[in-house]
Amino acid sequence: EAGVAQSPRYKIIEKRQSVAFWCNPISGHATLYWYQQILGQGPKLLIQFQNNGVVDDSQLPKDRFSAERLKGVDSTLKIQPAKLEDSAVYLCASSGGAVETQYFGPGTRLLVL
Amino acid sequence: AQKVTQAQTEISVVEKEDVTLDCVYETRDTTYYLFWYKQPPSGELVFLIRRNSFDEQNEISGRYSWNFQKSTSSFNFTITASQVVDSAVYFCALSEEAGNTDKLIFGTGTRLQVFP
Repeated sequence: EAGVAQSPRYKIIEKRQSVAFWCNPISGHATLYWYQQILGQGPKLLIQFQNNGVVDDSQLPKDRFSAERLKGVDSTLKIQPAKLEDSAVYLCASSGGAVETQYFGPGTRLLVL
Repeated sequence: AQKVTQAQTEISVVEKEDVTLDCVYETRDTTYYLFWYKQPPSGELVFLIRRNSFDEQNEISGRYSWNFQKSTSSFNFTITASQVVDSAVYFCALSEEAGNTDKLIFGTGTRLQVFP
């Protein structure tokens, strides 16, 4: 069974530029999550989707971050404009339902200069 | 409020030593779930175990074992006869059933270095 796929794996941009990350969850998983992991910290949830609806985006900086999950499968996370403090690993995870185990992708390492 | 504390920032051991990673959690919910994930240098979070709050049985999987004690709100992880491949950052996480979201609340992680 294929795992969670993410791309790109690495991205370097300058501040004020925009960037987008893509995630393809495990087939059949209805719930998709985006987490931000700053160096030396544990991951923190940015947004959770159930199918193509948003369940929780309370920690998403909505002035610069946006996310969508078209057709309830793939998802994209966008940052526009990026700030230095957005440098982090962005992890996508999926699960088969409420409080089921979340399986993570390899992450996208973002460096904002 | 939900919180997970991993007080050990970094642990170094020599191969074949046993090592225990501590995890203490806080929650007001009676139904919750605890997890351990491994994050090797490649960066991917690898799922190790999931336990619910009603199952306090200890679990063993090969060289890995977990001790869940509700009385002390702890969910500790022991690696027996550690190997170099065990070197990674290990995260303990908490998820609650109540509310709309089942987001994971992670601790700050414990970096384990196993030297040959």
